[in-house]
Amino acid sequence: QVQLVESGGGLVKPGGSLRLSCAASGFTFSDYYMSWIRQAPGKGLEWVSYISSSGSTIYYADSVKGRFTISRDNAKNSLYLQMNSLRAEDTAVYYCARAFVEMATRGPGWFDPWGQGTLVTVSS
Amino acid sequence: SYVLTQPPSVSVAPGQTARITCGGNNIGSKSVHWYQQKPGQAPVLVVYDDSDRPSGIPERFSGSNSGNTATLTISRVEAGDEADYYCQVWDSSSDHPDVVFGGGTKLTVL
Repeated sequence: QVQLVESGGGLVKPGGSLRLSCAASGFTFSDYYMSWIRQAPGKGLEWVSYISSSGSTIYYADSVKGRFTISRDNAKNSLYLQMNSLRAEDTAVYYCARAFVEMATRGPGWFDPWGQGTLVTVSS
Repeated sequence: SYVLTQPPSVSVAPGQTARITCGGNNIGSKSVHWYQQKPGQAPVLVVYDDSDRPSGIPERFSGSNSGNTATLTISRVEAGDEADYYCQVWDSSSDHPDVVFGGGTKLTVL
């Protein structure tokens, strides 16, 4: 079955870096767009970044632009999120999700499925 | 930036119908997607493209979208439907496209 498993979360000091990974299985990874979405403790969902199947199209939320970098390795069926200059407000559970493209806009549509998430805590 | 507005909470008795709204400027011109999230779990897609259901989602879940409001309707509500529900769109109307989530609605089954 389709499965996404995140790893790489943990405790990091403000200004530090962390690299998240997402291992995909059960589907042809190279055919799908992928995304990272986060959820701060007790808060709602916030989209972080999105990458096309080939990696040629990438979008970021304003809150992470210039600090986070999304990438993928289709040969390894893996998605990554390099997070630099981390701030306390980046503390959240980070989910990777498979993304479907909207026919009308060719932009990211819905996300299905989602991984179980990995917790990133930014604190001194 | 585009804003999606959801009521913080909705309460309904078992067997009744729950309606969760998602308001946005001319949201009827966008495709709306809905997720269910139970405590300690990842979100699950329940409706996509306004009104389509993924395989495995009960027919009790349906969606509609028109004007400035999209609605997720859950018929014959069960205790297991108690969860947070989020709407989501892709906003390509500005020079900075963005994926937008609503603030979430907590559905309580009385």
